[in-house]
Amino acid sequence: KNQVEQSPQSLIILEGKNCTLQCNYTVSPFSNLRWYKQDTGRGPVSLTIMTFSENTKSNGRYTATLDADTKQSSLHITASQLSDSASYICVVSVRGGSNYKLTFGKGTLLTVNP
Amino acid sequence: EAGVVQSPRYKIIEKKQPVAFWCNPISGHNTLYWYLQNLGQGPELLIRYENEEAVDDSQLPKDRFSAERLKGVDSTLKIQPAELGDSAVYLCASSLVLTGGAFGELFFGEGSRLTVL
Repeated sequence: KNQVEQSPQSLIILEGKNCTLQCNYTVSPFSNLRWYKQDTGRGPVSLTIMTFSENTKSNGRYTATLDADTKQSSLHITASQLSDSASYICVVSVRGGSNYKLTFGKGTLLTVNP
Repeated sequence: EAGVVQSPRYKIIEKKQPVAFWCNPISGHNTLYWYLQNLGQGPELLIRYENEEAVDDSQLPKDRFSAERLKGVDSTLKIQPAELGDSAVYLCASSLVLTGGAFGELFFGEGSRLTVL
């Protein structure tokens, strides 16, 4: 079972609409949570990084929330644009002693239609 | 500032042939990662370097995969011999290591797409 679960697997919305992507994780102990955007055929690009003490973080039209108690995060996209069409990947960093490890979700594929 | 540079972007080879991918990280980043990404999946770590040292290669199939990071800067990932199942995107990323050992922001290259026929 993947320790970082993302939902939905894919999503289609109309341009201008809002949407929310979900990320649930079971890995611990938690260090930070990251959201990446990956355009088709490109490498992932960082959107946000949140630590345990941060509940919300914005990057333009992207707002990420984190509930470390329930181990849930969401990425909210406001007023979607065609360029938002991409895969959105949730990544959780866990700490084991002095070592850190990143666990990637499978991503949510977002399609924004005109 | 230049980002993470990877080459080649695309490679098509026949099975049992060797292949090599090259990565030049962002200047000053001491940590370099090689990831494998299959279609519709998240990246999976193959190997992580801190400077010249491979600190996590537990997921690297060492019978056919090898990597090196001479002088702690650029890196090469090699597959020999390639198998059909190796068809994937190979992503390189780099970051700083923060105080306490946590990873800084990862910057990814565009990836090298391998097709094994």
